[in-house]
Amino acid sequence: QSALTQPASVSGSPGQSITISCTGTSSDVGSYNLVSWYQQYPGKAPKLMIYEGSKRPSGVSNRFSGSKSGNTASLTISGLQAEDEADYYCCSYAGSSTWVFGGGTKLTVL
Amino acid sequence: EVQLVESGGGLVQPGGSLRLSCAASGFTFSSYWMHWVRQAPGKGLVWVSRINSDGSSTTYADSVKGRFTISRDNAKNTLYLQMNSLRAEDTAVYYCARVYLNWYFDLWGRGTLVTVSS
Repeated sequence: QSALTQPASVSGSPGQSITISCTGTSSDVGSYNLVSWYQQYPGKAPKLMIYEGSKRPSGVSNRFSGSKSGNTASLTISGLQAEDEADYYCCSYAGSSTWVFGGGTKLTVL
Repeated sequence: EVQLVESGGGLVQPGGSLRLSCAASGFTFSSYWMHWVRQAPGKGLVWVSRINSDGSSTTYADSVKGRFTISRDNAKNTLYLQMNSLRAEDTAVYYCARVYLNWYFDLWGRGTLVTVSS
């Protein structure tokens, strides 16, 4: 149950696109198309942004998109806005009814 | 309003016990699997435990297995986490989360802080 690997931080200017990677193993990300992404503002609860690797819940901007290749999942945010500045976490089903999160990535909008 | 509200956190000595509660409202609690997720101060999210809709099946992270017990009372719309043999490394904000489509967490509470210290 080792945490998925995410970059500690990424940054971008308003209007640009950024991508956050999430690397797991063949036991979690690589075995299941069950990756989700969460946005968390300081002191607040996480919010589901992407599920099943690339689907958006109702109400989530289409500027957020997800993908997966092998053991690595990715979250892309296009047209960066100041309000996107937050922490982002990936999460994957890891088999045997267990889940594993990534270490989190702090997004800074310059 | 659809919401989850955690309670029961506080300061406890190493080796002590604490029971967290998560009160659900605004949805049919008994139809959903539920999870506990924790976040140490300044750190990332860590999955802790999961329970199915009728409470008959549970799973735990290795770090809490044998010390924590998840349970639920569907008549009271409440999820619980009994935490025993607490360690300093259990210090965290504990969130309860509702499952969406079996695999994702679509509703979270605001969390309750557990501090394990002498």
